[in-house]
Amino acid sequence: QVQLQESGPGLVKPSETLSLTCTVSGGSITNYYLTWLRQPAGEGLEWIGRTYINGSPTYNPSLKSRVTISADTSVNRFSLQVTSVTAADTAMYYCASGDIKIDYWGQGTLVTVSS
Amino acid sequence: DIQMTQSPSSLSASVGDRVAITCRASQSVSAYLNWYQQKPGKAPKLLISAISTLQSGVPSRFSGIGTGTDFTLTISSLQPEDFATYYCQQTYSMPRTFGQGTKVEIK
Repeated sequence: QVQLQESGPGLVKPSETLSLTCTVSGGSITNYYLTWLRQPAGEGLEWIGRTYINGSPTYNPSLKSRVTISADTSVNRFSLQVTSVTAADTAMYYCASGDIKIDYWGQGTLVTVSS
Repeated sequence: DIQMTQSPSSLSASVGDRVAITCRASQSVSAYLNWYQQKPGKAPKLLISAISTLQSGVPSRFSGIGTGTDFTLTISSLQPEDFATYYCQQTYSMPRTFGQGTKVEIK
């Protein structure tokens, strides 16, 4: 069974770049669509984007200009970067596998944007 | 973007009750409709994909129906572990979008 684990700073300053990594175990990332989502406290789920090893990433237009998703097959990890963050980017961030259906989720990592 | 609207936003029910949650898409999503369950402090869990396909290990009291733009998740006999928030998601087009969620609370 695939397992995913997010990691990265829990606190980011406004205008800086949020960087998270998702380590995948139990399967090769070359076999899956890799997705990032987020959820502000007490709110619903927002799809950030997804990538596939042999394809180009696809991003939510609401974030597209600020988001980069990349993957490193050598260490079976994929990453998320969000530039120029504001308080509105404060959320629980989830990495997940799948696209048409999201089968496996990481436990999530809380990122707070604050000075 | 395809807008997904769930109703109700919350409901109170008792153990043993039959519960139905509806999800309406702003345009047809064909069969690309999933349901997730999320408990407090936990990641969402996939319950049903492709409108009605129950995922492995999900109890048979959960079922999904619908077509095109209107979908329903039904819990036939609510159990204590079913108190959670439920989300529908369309994966017909980009960006993938979710409903706002339906919180099922204990009456």
